[in-house]
Amino acid sequence: GDSVTQMEGPVTLSEEAFLTINCTYTATGYPSLFWYVQYPGEGLQLLLKATKADDKGSNKGFEATYRKETTSFHLEKGSVQVSDSAVYFCALSAPFGNEKLTFGTGTRLTIIP
Amino acid sequence: DTGVSQDPRHKITKRGQNVTFRCDPISEHNRLYWYRQTLGQGPEFLTYFQNEAQLEKSRLLSDRFSAERPKGSFSTLEIQRTEQGDSAMYLCASSARDRGDTGELFFGEGSRLTVL
Repeated sequence: GDSVTQMEGPVTLSEEAFLTINCTYTATGYPSLFWYVQYPGEGLQLLLKATKADDKGSNKGFEATYRKETTSFHLEKGSVQVSDSAVYFCALSAPFGNEKLTFGTGTRLTIIP
Repeated sequence: DTGVSQDPRHKITKRGQNVTFRCDPISEHNRLYWYRQTLGQGPEFLTYFQNEAQLEKSRLLSDRFSAERPKGSFSTLEIQRTEQGDSAMYLCASSARDRGDTGELFFGEGSRLTVL
């Protein structure tokens, strides 16, 4: 079945550091790929998405590129801020009407000033 | 702006009791989803509705679990004869996705269940 493997955490970085959180997936066909974020005390919210190979999703300075050849969707940010501290989830949605999201285990990110 | 709301936010119960969670989706959203999240894990799909029809159920949804969306608006998730292994965060999400489209799910803050 479909699965998402996500870089284990927790990850602690200093402010303005470069961030990469790795995500790889296993799926039949061409899934859509997502990064969701959960800030402390809040619900999950969509950070960015990509629906086909070579698409780049971006939002709030975060980027991720859909790489079909390596089945990856790594999350990157050039300069993190304390406000980026949260739990990040990589997820996929299978094509052709299968609505459910399959999530990775999540990566807790802490940014220290 | 009213997002997805869930009630109660936290429920503590004794093993063997029944519990019910309610989810009110964003009003114009026709699709509603339930997920379960345990500590250190990502959310796991349980079931989803399009309007009032329950279109898919996960194998995780044992016969002690039942979900309804009677008028295509709010939904309830009931767990009968709770077990300690049911302790988790139960998440509700909604979307307005059309068939074949991939869009955004809007999540509530979750209902945390603790079974003693």
